[in-house]
Amino acid sequence: GAGVSQTPSNKVTEKGKYVELRCDPISGHTALYWYRQSLGQGPEFLIYFQGTGAADDSGLPNDRFFAVRPEGSVSTLKIQRTERGDSAVYLCASSADRDGGYTFGSGTRLTVV
Amino acid sequence: KNEVEQSPQNLTAQEGEFITINCSYSVGISALHWLQQHPGGGIVSLFMLSSGKKKHGRLIATINIQEKHSSLHITASHPRDSAVYICAAIRNTDKLIFGTGTRLQVFP
Repeated sequence: GAGVSQTPSNKVTEKGKYVELRCDPISGHTALYWYRQSLGQGPEFLIYFQGTGAADDSGLPNDRFFAVRPEGSVSTLKIQRTERGDSAVYLCASSADRDGGYTFGSGTRLTVV
Repeated sequence: KNEVEQSPQNLTAQEGEFITINCSYSVGISALHWLQQHPGGGIVSLFMLSSGKKKHGRLIATINIQEKHSSLHITASHPRDSAVYICAAIRNTDKLIFGTGTRLQVFP
């Protein structure tokens, strides 16, 4: 596609529920990143994919968070047993290569009530 | 101490003023991004630079690798420039380390 697409744009869920957030990167971009931005703060790194594999998942806060990219294009960020502290905007970005610029999606605003 | 520091945190300007936002980093990087985020909006990449200077319209970004410092300048500022400006350093592992952002408000 023309840009990085994230769905849904907004998600409200109850504490304890499971959610999936989707990122559709720019076609051909091999690198895909997930970031989380809490209110009033800069984004923080969660996980980075190069192709289908997670090259760096050091930013995932705990084992409730998991992400996949099975075919090297679309990625899904999965959050189990959601907590109120998970409320944030989840941003996805893709890049063609190490020296390329990043293109960000518009984010998914997750609210856990 | 954050690995990427920005100053100022908040900036107010009158339309037409020249604006400078500073970014200092304490880690080794391969490049640095300047990003723009409008209220409630997504993040837009303005520049990626690893040396020297880049210019796009009224925006200029410079970086001094030896001093680990970068600046974003806006000439002839306009109210539509009001946004949060974020610098983000690209580590060798490719992930971005973000600064906390500078909130700019330009008044007519």
